[in-house]
Amino acid sequence: AQTIHQWPVAEIKAVGSPLSLGCTIKGKSSPNLYWYWQATGGTLQQLFYSITVGQVESVVQLNLSASRPKDDQFILSTEKLLLSHSGFYLCAWSLGGGYEQYFGPGTRLTVL
Amino acid sequence: AQSVTQPDARVTVSEGASLQLRCKYSYSATPYLFWYVQYPRQGLQLLLKYYSGDPVVQGVNGFEAEFSKSNSSFHLRKASVHWSDSAVYFCAVASSGSWQLIFGSGTQLTVMP
Repeated sequence: AQTIHQWPVAEIKAVGSPLSLGCTIKGKSSPNLYWYWQATGGTLQQLFYSITVGQVESVVQLNLSASRPKDDQFILSTEKLLLSHSGFYLCAWSLGGGYEQYFGPGTRLTVL
Repeated sequence: AQSVTQPDARVTVSEGASLQLRCKYSYSATPYLFWYVQYPRQGLQLLLKYYSGDPVVQGVNGFEAEFSKSNSSFHLRKASVHWSDSAVYFCAVASSGSWQLIFGSGTQLTVMP
């Protein structure tokens, strides 16, 4: 069975500080991977997707970057946090384009 | 532009009552349609999916949805709700080969005991 793990569970960070969020998928070889952002009480906005190691495509520009250093790992980061980065970050995987996506438990980020 | 509309931001029903949550989509290609549920402070769980074939699809926990091409809709239904069904429900659309999954704004469901 596939499992998806996100870390940390929650973060409280200061404006201007760096950030790194992680996501690991176990039990699935070469999945497509995705990062989403969800404002409190809001809908989901896709940020990045990756179909293979080392290749990441940006969907929206939010002063964030993503990397896929291993087949089962997806990292979201920024060097300088903004207040607008606060929210819930979700990682997801799928078998391919158009297929259903499966979501991780999420990381709640508060920027003060 | 491709979009998903969930016209009801909040729905309140009594336990044991039937439920319908509405979803309308605007999509140029043949749509693949999904319903997800999100419990407080958790990720999204897939309830059901529609790719083709029988327009009525069954999902987990007694949920079903009906695809209507003529109405561009994919409404979610349940015959008898339980208090544990209280959550936010999202409708989403994609197309074959596309990496993009477009979500509606969500419907907050409250089931009164």
